[in-house]
Amino acid sequence: DVKVTQSSRYLVKRTGEKVFLECVQDMDHENMFWYRQDPGLGLRLIYFSYDVKMKEKGDIPEGYSVSREKKERFSLILESASTNQTSMYLCASNYGTGITDTQYFGPGTRLTVL
Amino acid sequence: ELKVEQNPLFLSMQEGKNYTIYCNYSTTSDRLYWYRQDPGKSLESLFVLLSNGAVKQEGRLMASLDTKARLSTLHITAAVHDLSATYFCAVDGGVGADGLTFGKGTHLIIQP
Repeated sequence: DVKVTQSSRYLVKRTGEKVFLECVQDMDHENMFWYRQDPGLGLRLIYFSYDVKMKEKGDIPEGYSVSREKKERFSLILESASTNQTSMYLCASNYGTGITDTQYFGPGTRLTVL
Repeated sequence: ELKVEQNPLFLSMQEGKNYTIYCNYSTTSDRLYWYRQDPGKSLESLFVLLSNGAVKQEGRLMASLDTKARLSTLHITAAVHDLSATYFCAVDGGVGADGLTFGKGTHLIIQP
């Protein structure tokens, strides 16, 4: 079975703090993704990566950055957290030549910024 | 810009009834995905529909794709409480697209 894990299920941070969300997959997937999920808005793509050290902006990259130093790990960074970044963050990965093959999701990190 | 619309966004139904969730999308696509999300849990892949006329069935759920109408349906037959969840469709935007575009989800409650 594909396993995508995220470092924290729940996280509470203060405005202005630097926040790291970690995602690890164990299936040697090429592609990894970060989404945020908000009520009434569905899932929105923040960033994705199709290879080590490669990254592409998604629909809402502002206020975020990412890092992919190893194939199995994809980190989302909030340089200076703000209250409007309170959300559920979901990591996903998939395998194949097409970025749009079935994505497998991690359990999510619910981030609250006070 | 690809837009994906699901309806209804909220559905409360009784066990034993049939119902259909609709997913409309705005640009040409040959790939559509259905996911399920239980409260507090992550998304689980249900179906991948890869061509016009594709139909997939798993238990009481059946998904279909009409690429000409840009429409997918998720049909629930004789609903049971265990199917209560939020269902998302997601569409592949094609060459040059940045991955999948998700609908807002349909929150389904099935009451005994």
